[in-house]
Amino acid sequence: KAGVTQTPRYLIKTRGQQVTLSCSPISGHRSVSWYQQTPGQGLQFLFEYFSETQRNKGNFPGRFSGRQFSNSRSEMNVSTLELGDSALYLCATTDGSSTDTQYFGPGTRLTVL
Amino acid sequence: GEDVEQSLFLSVREGDSSVINCTYTDSSSTYLYWYKQEPGAGLQLLTYIFSNMDMKQDQRLTVLLNKKDKHLSLRIADTQTGDSAIYFCAEIPPGGYNKLIFGAGTRLAVHP
Repeated sequence: KAGVTQTPRYLIKTRGQQVTLSCSPISGHRSVSWYQQTPGQGLQFLFEYFSETQRNKGNFPGRFSGRQFSNSRSEMNVSTLELGDSALYLCATTDGSSTDTQYFGPGTRLTVL
Repeated sequence: GEDVEQSLFLSVREGDSSVINCTYTDSSSTYLYWYKQEPGAGLQLLTYIFSNMDMKQDQRLTVLLNKKDKHLSLRIADTQTGDSAIYFCAEIPPGGYNKLIFGAGTRLAVHP
């Protein structure tokens, strides 16, 4: 099976712009979670989607949003970018088994100038 | 609160064993996980342990769980230079809907 795919891998934006990141899960995985990784804050949970519904949300401002499509692919959007949004954005998918094991994609490295 | 704790650095000699420690927060967490991150890469699942187990062995990896103290450890036998990476422990608290809570990560440096 192909792994979790994230596009693009690298992105450079300027303050005030918006950005959309994409995550394609492993075939058969219906849950997609998003995480932000920064040197200062570490790995932080953004939100989780299952069957096109957001089930859980982390403590991030409303500028961070996401959605999931019927094929389980997910996108996250960050509007009005700030310098502090520079981070590695990781998505993880799971097949919903009892172990809740999540498999991560390679991430999208976002740099805000 | 949500605070998984790990020591930040560990340096070992090639061929020795490495032990990475973690203290987690929620004794109700069903599964506990270890992930590995190499530079510029995403997170690779190494292993997980069910909360009613004390130990799990998987090739060179041994996970020990002390549920009373909420302490988790990862032992890597015969550590190799390719094991140099950051290791994260993580838990999903009950009702977390796949919300992993991570520690800060332990940077393992393996030297000859």
